[in-house]
Amino acid sequence: GQQVMQIPQYQHVQEGEDFTTYCNSSTTLSNIQWYKQRPGGHPVFLIQLVKSGEVKKQKRLTFQFGEAKKNSSLHITATQTTDVGTYFCAGHSNYQLIWGAGTKLIIKP
Amino acid sequence: KAGVTQTPRYLIKTRGQQVTLSCSPISGHRSVSWYQQTPGQGLQFLFEYFSETQRNKGNFPGRFSGRQFSNSRSEMNVSTLELGDSALYLCASSLAPPGLADSNEQFFGPGTRLTVL
Repeated sequence: GQQVMQIPQYQHVQEGEDFTTYCNSSTTLSNIQWYKQRPGGHPVFLIQLVKSGEVKKQKRLTFQFGEAKKNSSLHITATQTTDVGTYFCAGHSNYQLIWGAGTKLIIKP
Repeated sequence: KAGVTQTPRYLIKTRGQQVTLSCSPISGHRSVSWYQQTPGQGLQFLFEYFSETQRNKGNFPGRFSGRQFSNSRSEMNVSTLELGDSALYLCASSLAPPGLADSNEQFFGPGTRLTVL
Protein backbone atom coordinates (compact mmCIF):
# COMPACT_ATOMS: atom_id res chain seq x y z
CA GLY A 1 0.00 0.00 0.00
CA GLN A 2 0.90 3.63 -0.17
CA GLN A 3 3.33 4.70 2.53
CA VAL A 4 5.04 7.82 3.76
CA MET A 5 8.26 7.08 5.60
CA GLN A 6 9.39 9.73 8.05
CA ILE A 7 12.85 9.86 9.60
CA PRO A 8 14.30 10.07 12.11
CA GLN A 9 11.90 8.75 14.73
CA TYR A 10 13.59 10.84 17.43
CA GLN A 11 16.10 13.65 17.39
CA HIS A 12 17.88 14.98 20.45
CA VAL A 13 19.41 18.43 20.02
CA GLN A 14 20.94 21.06 22.23
CA GLU A 15 18.95 24.26 22.33
CA GLY A 16 20.23 26.45 19.53
CA GLU A 17 21.11 23.56 17.22
CA ASP A 18 19.25 22.87 14.01
CA PHE A 19 16.68 20.11 13.46
CA THR A 20 15.52 18.40 10.28
CA THR A 21 12.89 15.75 9.60
CA TYR A 22 12.37 14.04 6.25
CA CYS A 23 9.40 12.38 4.59
CA ASN A 24 9.56 10.04 1.61
CA SER A 25 6.54 8.71 -0.21
CA SER A 26 6.26 5.53 -2.25
CA THR A 27 3.97 7.39 -4.68
CA THR A 28 3.68 10.88 -6.11
CA LEU A 29 1.76 13.19 -3.83
CA SER A 30 -0.67 15.90 -4.90
CA ASN A 31 0.37 17.94 -1.88
CA ILE A 32 1.86 17.48 1.57
CA GLN A 33 0.93 18.94 4.92
CA TRP A 34 2.95 19.34 8.11
CA TYR A 35 1.58 19.22 11.65
CA LYS A 36 3.05 19.73 15.10
CA GLN A 37 1.87 17.96 18.23
CA ARG A 38 3.06 19.37 21.52
CA PRO A 39 3.42 16.94 24.45
CA GLY A 40 -0.05 16.21 25.81
CA GLY A 41 -1.70 18.05 22.95
CA HIS A 42 -3.22 17.31 19.59
CA PRO A 43 -1.75 17.82 16.10
CA VAL A 44 -1.93 21.36 14.80
CA PHE A 45 -1.61 22.25 11.12
CA LEU A 46 1.56 24.12 10.19
CA ILE A 47 1.62 24.38 6.41
CA GLN A 48 0.67 22.82 3.08
CA LEU A 49 2.99 22.49 0.07
CA VAL A 50 1.50 21.94 -3.36
CA LYS A 51 3.98 22.77 -6.12
CA SER A 52 6.98 20.76 -7.24
CA GLY A 53 10.13 22.19 -5.68
CA GLU A 54 8.16 24.53 -3.44
CA VAL A 55 9.93 26.12 -0.46
CA LYS A 56 8.06 27.95 2.26
CA LYS A 57 9.35 29.64 5.39
CA GLN A 58 7.69 30.41 8.69
CA LYS A 59 10.19 32.31 10.84
CA ARG A 60 12.80 29.67 11.78
CA LEU A 61 10.96 26.84 10.00
CA THR A 62 11.71 25.98 6.36
CA PHE A 63 9.55 23.51 4.47
CA GLN A 64 10.49 21.94 1.15
CA PHE A 65 8.63 19.79 -1.35
CA GLY A 66 10.75 17.74 -3.73
CA GLU A 67 10.83 18.16 -7.48
CA ALA A 68 9.20 14.76 -7.99
CA LYS A 69 6.61 15.49 -5.29
CA LYS A 70 7.63 12.34 -3.46
CA ASN A 71 9.65 13.81 -0.62
CA SER A 72 9.52 16.72 1.77
CA SER A 73 11.51 18.13 4.64
CA LEU A 74 11.07 20.44 7.59
CA HIS A 75 14.12 22.27 8.90
CA ILE A 76 14.17 24.29 12.10
CA THR A 77 17.05 26.71 12.60
CA ALA A 78 18.36 27.41 16.10
CA THR A 79 15.85 25.32 18.03
CA GLN A 80 14.12 26.74 21.09
CA THR A 81 12.34 24.97 23.94
CA THR A 82 9.03 25.96 22.38
CA ASP A 83 9.85 23.76 19.38
CA VAL A 84 9.60 20.59 21.47
CA GLY A 85 7.01 18.14 20.17
CA THR A 86 6.36 15.64 17.43
CA TYR A 87 6.29 16.76 13.80
CA PHE A 88 4.15 14.83 11.34
CA CYS A 89 3.96 15.00 7.59
CA ALA A 90 0.79 13.92 5.78
CA GLY A 91 0.66 13.46 2.03
CA HIS A 92 -2.37 13.45 -0.24
CA SER A 93 -2.52 10.68 -2.78
CA ASN A 94 -5.48 9.02 -4.49
CA TYR A 95 -8.00 10.89 -2.34
CA GLN A 96 -6.35 9.67 0.85
CA LEU A 97 -4.27 11.41 3.46
CA ILE A 98 -1.25 9.27 4.31
CA TRP A 99 0.57 10.08 7.52
CA GLY A 100 4.21 9.71 8.40
CA ALA A 101 5.04 8.19 11.78
CA GLY A 102 6.34 11.50 13.12
CA THR A 103 9.67 12.79 14.39
CA LYS A 104 9.92 13.64 18.06
CA LEU A 105 12.13 16.66 18.76
CA ILE A 106 13.75 16.52 22.18
CA ILE A 107 15.79 19.42 23.53
CA LYS A 108 18.68 18.26 25.70
CA PRO A 109 18.98 20.17 29.00
CA LYS B 1 -15.82 29.75 15.64
CA ALA B 2 -15.79 26.82 18.03
CA GLY B 3 -13.19 24.13 17.46
CA VAL B 4 -13.63 20.39 17.18
CA THR B 5 -15.12 18.94 20.33
CA GLN B 6 -14.86 15.36 21.52
CA THR B 7 -16.72 13.68 24.31
CA PRO B 8 -15.97 12.23 26.69
CA ARG B 9 -12.41 13.41 27.27
CA TYR B 10 -11.51 10.44 29.45
CA LEU B 11 -13.01 6.99 29.70
CA ILE B 12 -12.19 3.88 31.68
CA LYS B 13 -13.69 0.57 30.60
CA THR B 14 -13.03 -3.10 31.23
CA ARG B 15 -12.23 -5.80 28.74
CA GLY B 16 -15.23 -7.05 26.81
CA GLN B 17 -17.24 -3.86 27.20
CA GLN B 18 -18.13 -1.58 24.33
CA VAL B 19 -17.64 2.16 24.03
CA THR B 20 -18.99 5.01 21.91
CA LEU B 21 -17.01 8.18 21.33
CA SER B 22 -18.45 11.37 19.90
CA CYS B 23 -17.02 14.11 17.73
CA SER B 24 -18.57 17.43 16.75
CA PRO B 25 -16.71 19.04 13.85
CA ILE B 26 -16.19 22.72 13.24
CA SER B 27 -19.35 24.32 11.90
CA GLY B 28 -19.45 23.95 8.13
CA HIS B 29 -16.97 21.08 8.01
CA ARG B 30 -18.43 17.97 6.41
CA SER B 31 -15.43 15.66 6.54
CA VAL B 32 -14.53 13.84 9.75
CA SER B 33 -11.62 11.48 10.26
CA TRP B 34 -10.77 9.31 13.25
CA TYR B 35 -7.30 8.28 14.42
CA GLN B 36 -5.87 6.08 17.14
CA GLN B 37 -2.68 7.20 18.84
CA THR B 38 -0.79 5.04 21.34
CA PRO B 39 2.23 6.19 23.38
CA GLY B 40 5.20 6.70 21.12
CA GLN B 41 3.19 5.81 18.04
CA GLY B 42 2.08 7.91 15.18
CA LEU B 43 -1.44 8.47 14.03
CA GLN B 44 -3.15 5.27 12.96
CA PHE B 45 -5.99 6.07 10.58
CA LEU B 46 -9.33 4.49 11.49
CA PHE B 47 -11.89 5.90 9.06
CA GLU B 48 -13.05 8.98 7.26
CA TYR B 49 -16.60 10.18 6.66
CA PHE B 50 -18.01 12.76 4.31
CA SER B 51 -21.69 13.57 3.98
CA GLU B 52 -22.65 10.54 6.07
CA THR B 53 -20.66 8.14 3.87
CA GLN B 54 -17.54 6.27 4.88
CA ARG B 55 -14.98 7.08 2.18
CA ASN B 56 -11.91 5.40 3.56
CA LYS B 57 -11.16 2.85 6.23
CA GLY B 58 -7.90 1.96 7.90
CA ASN B 59 -6.59 -1.46 8.77
CA PHE B 60 -8.51 -2.09 11.98
CA PRO B 61 -10.68 -5.07 12.93
CA GLY B 62 -14.44 -5.01 12.52
CA ARG B 63 -14.83 -4.26 16.23
CA PHE B 64 -14.14 -0.66 15.27
CA SER B 65 -17.02 1.06 13.52
CA GLY B 66 -18.26 4.55 12.96
CA ARG B 67 -20.96 6.68 11.49
CA GLN B 68 -21.70 10.25 10.59
CA PHE B 69 -24.98 12.04 11.03
CA SER B 70 -26.69 14.58 8.80
CA ASN B 71 -25.36 17.43 10.94
CA SER B 72 -21.79 16.10 10.32
CA ARG B 73 -21.37 14.96 13.90
CA SER B 74 -19.66 11.59 14.06
CA GLU B 75 -19.45 8.69 16.46
CA MET B 76 -17.12 5.76 16.63
CA ASN B 77 -17.83 2.53 18.45
CA VAL B 78 -15.48 -0.14 19.70
CA SER B 79 -17.05 -3.41 20.75
CA THR B 80 -15.56 -6.19 22.86
CA LEU B 81 -12.77 -3.99 24.16
CA GLU B 82 -9.27 -5.39 24.49
CA LEU B 83 -6.37 -4.11 26.59
CA GLY B 84 -4.59 -3.04 23.40
CA ASP B 85 -7.41 -0.64 22.59
CA SER B 86 -6.16 1.71 25.30
CA ALA B 87 -5.18 4.82 23.38
CA LEU B 88 -5.91 8.43 22.59
CA TYR B 89 -8.64 8.62 19.96
CA LEU B 90 -8.46 11.76 17.90
CA CYS B 91 -11.08 13.19 15.62
CA ALA B 92 -10.25 15.69 12.89
CA SER B 93 -12.55 17.72 10.70
CA SER B 94 -11.98 19.51 7.43
CA LEU B 95 -14.06 21.38 4.90
CA ALA B 96 -13.74 18.61 2.35
CA PRO B 97 -12.12 15.20 2.16
CA PRO B 98 -8.67 14.64 0.67
CA GLY B 99 -8.57 15.29 -3.04
CA LEU B 100 -11.79 17.23 -3.21
CA ALA B 101 -10.42 20.63 -2.29
CA ASP B 102 -7.22 22.58 -2.85
CA SER B 103 -6.77 22.95 0.86
CA ASN B 104 -8.28 20.64 3.42
CA GLU B 105 -6.35 21.37 6.55
CA GLN B 106 -7.26 18.95 9.30
CA PHE B 107 -8.47 20.49 12.56
CA PHE B 108 -8.03 18.10 15.45
CA GLY B 109 -10.07 17.83 18.60
CA PRO B 110 -8.45 17.31 22.02
CA GLY B 111 -9.09 13.57 21.86
CA THR B 112 -10.69 10.98 24.08
CA ARG B 113 -8.27 9.03 26.22
CA LEU B 114 -9.58 5.50 26.59
CA THR B 115 -8.17 3.16 29.22
CA VAL B 116 -9.15 -0.50 29.11
CA LEU B 117 -8.58 -2.46 32.32
